[in-house]
Amino acid sequence: AQKITQTQPGMFVQEKEAVTLDCTYDTSDQSYGLFWYKQPSSGEMIFLIYQGSYDEQNATEGRYSLNFQKARKSANLVISASQLGDSAMYFCAESGGSYIPTFGRGTSLIVHP
Amino acid sequence: EAQVTQNPRYLITVTGKKLTVTCSQNMNHEYMSWYRQDPGLGLRQIYYSMNVEVTDKGDVPEGYKVSRKEKRNFPLILESPSPNQTSLYFCASSFGGPRYEQYFGPGTRLTVT
Repeated sequence: AQKITQTQPGMFVQEKEAVTLDCTYDTSDQSYGLFWYKQPSSGEMIFLIYQGSYDEQNATEGRYSLNFQKARKSANLVISASQLGDSAMYFCAESGGSYIPTFGRGTSLIVHP
Repeated sequence: EAQVTQNPRYLITVTGKKLTVTCSQNMNHEYMSWYRQDPGLGLRQIYYSMNVEVTDKGDVPEGYKVSRKEKRNFPLILESPSPNQTSLYFCASSFGGPRYEQYFGPGTRLTVT
């Protein structure tokens, strides 16, 4: 069964600095996708970024990038130039051969002014 | 505007009183799913549907039912709710399955007393 581990329950970062949120995954699937979602205090889930297991380049979406290290089974999210609005819960997720994605337990990010 | 809607947003009910949470998407997505979110546990999938009349169990299906009679709608039914079903519920949809970006509804906070 797939498993997602987010080892950082909470992270703090100063505004305008970069921050890395860790995610490791465990899957036996050869082909899979990795996702990051953001959940602000208002509660909605917002898609941030996607990385396919066969993608050679790390995914980037604006200030978000995914540091994909396949051999280490890690898919860390890097947020550059943090903003106050980045304060939220962040969830890593993996989806492989089944139709049931697996989510991590989340990391709470607080951005200080 | 592309969106997933859920109703109601908040619901307080009593043990054993049947309830339905509606979910509708306007993006003609084939894949729809239901998740529950509990503190410290991330999101866990309850049921999913790959298309009309095609549904299957996720990780935590006990105590829930779903139906998919129309492509746009995917209601979640709790025939006899119990307090352990108190949770935040999300409906989500995607174009081709969980390997694609999922669009989430705003969530339904359910309390069963």
